[in-house]
Amino acid sequence: KQEVTQIPAALSVPEGENLVLNCSFTDSAIYNLQWFRQDPGKGLTSLLLIQSSQREQTSGRLNASLDKSSGRSTLYIAASQPGDSATYLCAVSEAGNNRKLIWGLGTSLAVNP
Amino acid sequence: EPEVTQTPSHQVTQMGQEVILRCVPISNHLYFYWYRQILGQKVEFLVSFYNNEISEKSEIFDDQFSVERPDGSNFTLKIRSTKLEDSAMYFCASSVEGTYYGYTFGSGTRLTVV
Repeated sequence: KQEVTQIPAALSVPEGENLVLNCSFTDSAIYNLQWFRQDPGKGLTSLLLIQSSQREQTSGRLNASLDKSSGRSTLYIAASQPGDSATYLCAVSEAGNNRKLIWGLGTSLAVNP
Repeated sequence: EPEVTQTPSHQVTQMGQEVILRCVPISNHLYFYWYRQILGQKVEFLVSFYNNEISEKSEIFDDQFSVERPDGSNFTLKIRSTKLEDSAMYFCASSVEGTYYGYTFGSGTRLTVV
């Protein structure tokens, strides 16, 4: 059964730091992987989507990498800002069933001014 | 940018009551989903819906739950007799084709059962 784990569970950094969030999954037979942002009590905003054949995706200050064989993805945030404070969630869809997402618990990020 | 709209944003209901959560998916999307997130826990898949029928459901989605697309634009989740443990944030999502292009999620309905 696919399990998704995210570390660290929480992170507090000063503004301007570059940081890395980690996501691991137990079954490498994934279809794709998505990173989401969730603000407190709010919805889920898609940040980056990486297909299983891709190694990375970039959007602005965000870069996500995927190493399918080792079951890992990282989300790199450059020059962090207080507005980046949120929970970041990783979710995978599986190669045999690409219609549902299996989620990690998230990393709660606080960027302090 | 197209949005998935969910109503209400917050609903409080008595245990044992029926609730209907409503969603308007993006108009050209073909797949619709409900997920839930109990406070402090992972987001969990409930059900996927395609071509006017359920394509997959999780163990959570028992006989107390049902989904419907009553009029070609709305997509609803009904909980027949709510329990305290149904308290959660419920998210609706839609996609063009499975997860290939990713999902678009609504902002959620916070359901509180008292």
